[in-house]
Amino acid sequence: EAGVAQSPRYKIIEKRQSVAFWCNPISGHATLYWYQQILGQGPKLLIQFQNNGVVDDSQLPKDRFSAERLKGVDSTLKIQPAKLEDSAVYLCASSLAYLYNEQFFGPGTRLTVL
Amino acid sequence: AQTVTQSQPEMSVQEAETVTLSCTYDTSENNYYLFWYKQPPSRQMILVIRQEAYKQQNATENRFSVNFQKAAKSFSLKISDSQLGDTAMYFCAFMRPNYGGATNKLIFGTGTLLAVQP
Repeated sequence: EAGVAQSPRYKIIEKRQSVAFWCNPISGHATLYWYQQILGQGPKLLIQFQNNGVVDDSQLPKDRFSAERLKGVDSTLKIQPAKLEDSAVYLCASSLAYLYNEQFFGPGTRLTVL
Repeated sequence: AQTVTQSQPEMSVQEAETVTLSCTYDTSENNYYLFWYKQPPSRQMILVIRQEAYKQQNATENRFSVNFQKAAKSFSLKISDSQLGDTAMYFCAFMRPNYGGATNKLIFGTGTLLAVQP
């Protein structure tokens, strides 16, 4: 079974530029999560989708971050414009369904904002 | 709000020995889940072990076991017969059940970097 796929693996941009990350969850997984992991900290949830609906986006900085999961499968997270403090690893995770508590993580995208 | 605290930023252990990583948490919930995740240098987060709060028996997975003290809100991870491949960052995480459509997000501690020495 293929795991959670993410691309790109690394991205370096200048501040005020835009960037997008892509995630393809494990086949059949209805729930998708985006976490932000700043160096030296544990991951923090940015947004959670159940199919293509948003369950929680309370920690998503909506003035600059956006995310979508149009067909309830893969998802895109966008930052526009990026700030220095957005430098982090962005982790995507998925789980089979809401009732299942195991989340499977992708390899992450390391973003550096200069 | 729930919080998770890992007070050991780094630990070191000799190969084949036993090491215990500490984790405490704060919650007013009675039912919840606790996890230990491993994040090797390649960055892929892997589930090591999970514990349901309503279960009194401590979870065990091969060389990994937990000491769950619900009243003390403590959840430590014991790794027996440490192997070089156990070198990684270990995160303790809390999850509340998804009542009524609420998020079941993981709340992570800051992690403990474990180095297994040959």
